[in-house]
This record gives sequence, structure tokens and C-alpha cells, in this order.
Amino acid sequence: EAAVTQSPRNKVTVTGGNVTLSCRQTNSHNYMYWYRQDTGHGLRLIHYSYGAGNLQIGDVPDGYKATRTTQEDFFLLLELASPSQTSLYFCASSDAGTYNQAPLFGEGTRLSVL
Amino acid sequence: AQSVDQPDAHVTLYEGASLELRCSYSYSAAPYLFWYVQYPGQSLQFLLKYITGDAVVKGTKGFEAEFRKSNSSFNLKKSPAHWSDSAKYFCALDSSGSWQLIFGSGTQLTVMP
Repeated sequence: EAAVTQSPRNKVTVTGGNVTLSCRQTNSHNYMYWYRQDTGHGLRLIHYSYGAGNLQIGDVPDGYKATRTTQEDFFLLLELASPSQTSLYFCASSDAGTYNQAPLFGEGTRLSVL
Repeated sequence: AQSVDQPDAHVTLYEGASLELRCSYSYSAAPYLFWYVQYPGQSLQFLLKYITGDAVVKGTKGFEAEFRKSNSSFNLKKSPAHWSDSAKYFCALDSSGSWQLIFGSGTQLTVMP
């Protein structure tokens, strides 16, 4: 069964702290994405990747790094977390280019930066 | 720049009524359009997408949407609505073919029993 798994599901950190959010997909998809969801904004794309070692900048990349270590694993890094990064983060994967399936989303990680 | 507008932040109706959630987009070329649903505390679930072809696309859970190039809209419809349809609905656009989705701010739908 197609799946996108995120960890942790909840995270609390302090301003200036380091945070890594993890995402693993078992769908053999080439593309993976990180979004943040905030009230009044819908979801906004932070970074995405079309394969291991590749990284593309999304619409709201400031303050975030990302790394795609394998086809399955995509990480989002906040090296100096700020309260403005308190949000609900979603990872997604897709086989973009084949048009067979829309992006499949994970369950989300709720991050609070105090 | 591409954008998606969902002008109705909240829609409330009674069970058995017809629902139509509005979505308009800004993009000069042929768009790829999507609808997702988010139930409280859950992730986004895909409902349907428009790539090309027939203007009316049918999706899961009894939903359909109509692509209208003339007024750049992609409204979501269902009849009749059921109380279990209560959720937040997102319209999204991709212009690149790599599924970099641009989302609207969503419409919170409440269906009263």
C-alpha cells in the first residue's frame, strides 16, 4: 500500500534550536515535497526533490534546508528555529511526469517553536 | 505569477442539498488542477484532478468538478451532500508538470444533519 510516513508527529523546540523532520515514502516515487500549512494560507511549498541528491527551492524556502539521501528519504532541516516556523508540516511524494497519480501526503508533523 | 483563489472561507448547508465549492485560478497557459479534502486532525486526501480532456472530471467520494477555461474556474460539486462531507477542501494548481502544487487557502464545509 502506498505510504508516506513522517516523524516525529509532534515536536517542540526553543528559539535557536535545531530540528530535523523526516519523511519516508515506499511508493517508488521520484518526486518528494515539503509543505507548511498555516491558517489563512493553505499549504505552501518549501522545498522539493526529483531524486536522491537533488534539491529544488520552493516558494517559501527561507530558514529551511532539505536533503534527499535516497529515493525513499527526504529530510527538512531547521538549523536556527524561530517562532515564525511554528506550523504544521506535510511531506508528499508523487510520480510527476506520468500523470498517473496525484501527490500523496503524509500525516503531518506539528512543530512548535517557543 | 500563478495563484489559486477560494473565495469562500466557510460554507454551511443542510444534508441533502447540493454543494458547490468555488475555485478560480490565475495562469495563462493550460493548468493542471486538483482538489483535496482534509478531515479534522488528518492529512490531505486526493479527490480528483484535471489534466486535459473532458471538462467534467469525476473523483472519489461522489465528487466531481468542472473545468471552465472561459472564467478560469474549477468548482467542486456534489449532490446530495452528506454530513460526513464536513471537512476542509483545498483547490490546487500545478503549472510545471512536476506537481509543485499551489494551494488555495481552503474552504471549510459544514453539512448540517
